[in-house]
Amino acid sequence: GENVEQHPSTLSVQEGDSAVIKCTYSDSASNYFPWYKQELGKRPQLIIDIRSNVGEKKDQRIAVTLNKTAKHFSLHITETQPEDSAVYFCAAARSGTSYGKLTFGQGTILTVHP
Amino acid sequence: NAGVTQTPKFRVLKTGQSMTLLCAQDMNHEYMYWYRQDPGMGLRLIHYSVGEGTTAKGEVPDGYNVSRLKKQNFLLGLESAAPSQTSVYFCASSHRVRVDRNTGELFFGEGSRLTVL
Repeated sequence: GENVEQHPSTLSVQEGDSAVIKCTYSDSASNYFPWYKQELGKRPQLIIDIRSNVGEKKDQRIAVTLNKTAKHFSLHITETQPEDSAVYFCAAARSGTSYGKLTFGQGTILTVHP
Repeated sequence: NAGVTQTPKFRVLKTGQSMTLLCAQDMNHEYMYWYRQDPGMGLRLIHYSVGEGTTAKGEVPDGYNVSRLKKQNFLLGLESAAPSQTSVYFCASSHRVRVDRNTGELFFGEGSRLTVL
């Protein structure tokens, strides 16, 4: 089955700095890569996703890049703000089949210091 | 529109006791999932369902059973609870992930914190 590794496990930055979280996946058939944000005590929520037919996707201060050859993808957050502090999870799945189950990475605790 | 609702939100069990977690969604999603979240291990899939009357095993199914008698409900059962099942359980639902859809977003419930003594 799919295996997703996520690094780093914790990340501490100053407000205004950029943050980068990286994930690698094992199943070359995976073609859907979402990122979820989980604030303390809350439910995970989708913040951005990318499919394998594109290499990069941006949404305001967040962007995701995908390298299919190397089987890794990254989340980039620019101009970080304290409200970006949360746990971030990457995930991978095969779409286009009968099952859309995701395999999640271990999570990254991002702390943005004012 | 409540989204995904889980009950109960908190429960303490003794080893060997049984319980059922209920998940309900009102978004007419085909897929439903049960995940457990443990520190440093992310979200691990326990069981999932691709439609009413169907269930399948995920990564960590041992010790759990599920049922999906109605499209909107997905039940997770622990027949004989063990301390290793102490965790936060999240139910989620989604449309079937397809290349031609804009998103395969999972909609999560608020979580159920279970402690097994």
